[in-house]
Amino acid sequence: DAGVIQSPRHEVTEMGQEVTLRCKPISGHDYLFWYRQTMMRGLELLIYFNNNVPIDDSGMPEDRFSAKMPNASFSTLKIQPSEPRDSAVYFCASSLAPFNEKLFFGSGTQLSVL
Amino acid sequence: DQQVKQNSPSLSVQEGRISILNCDYTNSMFDYFLWYKKYPAEGPTFLISISSIKDKNEDGRFTVFLNKSAKHLSLHIVPSQPGDSAVYFCAASAPNTGNQFYFGTGTSLTVIP
Repeated sequence: DAGVIQSPRHEVTEMGQEVTLRCKPISGHDYLFWYRQTMMRGLELLIYFNNNVPIDDSGMPEDRFSAKMPNASFSTLKIQPSEPRDSAVYFCASSLAPFNEKLFFGSGTQLSVL
Repeated sequence: DQQVKQNSPSLSVQEGRISILNCDYTNSMFDYFLWYKKYPAEGPTFLISISSIKDKNEDGRFTVFLNKSAKHLSLHIVPSQPGDSAVYFCAASAPNTGNQFYFGTGTSLTVIP
């Protein structure tokens, strides 16, 4: 299995622009998670899906953030408009069960908003 | 509010010696704890876990100790190897938070050959 695939690996954009991060979970995993890693707060859960349905989006910082999962093999995290404080590494993870230790993380997207 | 804290951003250890990574938490309802390991340009991978009914769990060179009264856990790596150089995250979950995992900010371990 190829594992969780995220794209792009790096994204540099200017403040105010729209940013879309993409994720392909491991086939057969029912749960998909979006995390954000910062130096100050570590790994924060933004939102998670079960069978393509958003279950908990309480970690989404602002209305500028949105996430979708149109099918079992694809999810997007969108930031519109982006701000410099959104600069972080964004990870997608999938698992067979919610918050199971067997969370499989992608390699992350390093986002820099100038 | 950071419920899981890793107060040492970095740690350097000689190869063959013991590495001790520490983690403190504030929520007394946390009952399950994990350590993840992260190499540069990769996502975190699960390393070892411990339930609150235990105070120690061992897996090869890795041992996690839990001190519930002090709300403290630690990861011991013995002997340390250069390949252990990575960022280590501790995480905790509680039934009253939907079992969501709360992660610390990570400790970067460097094992010097």
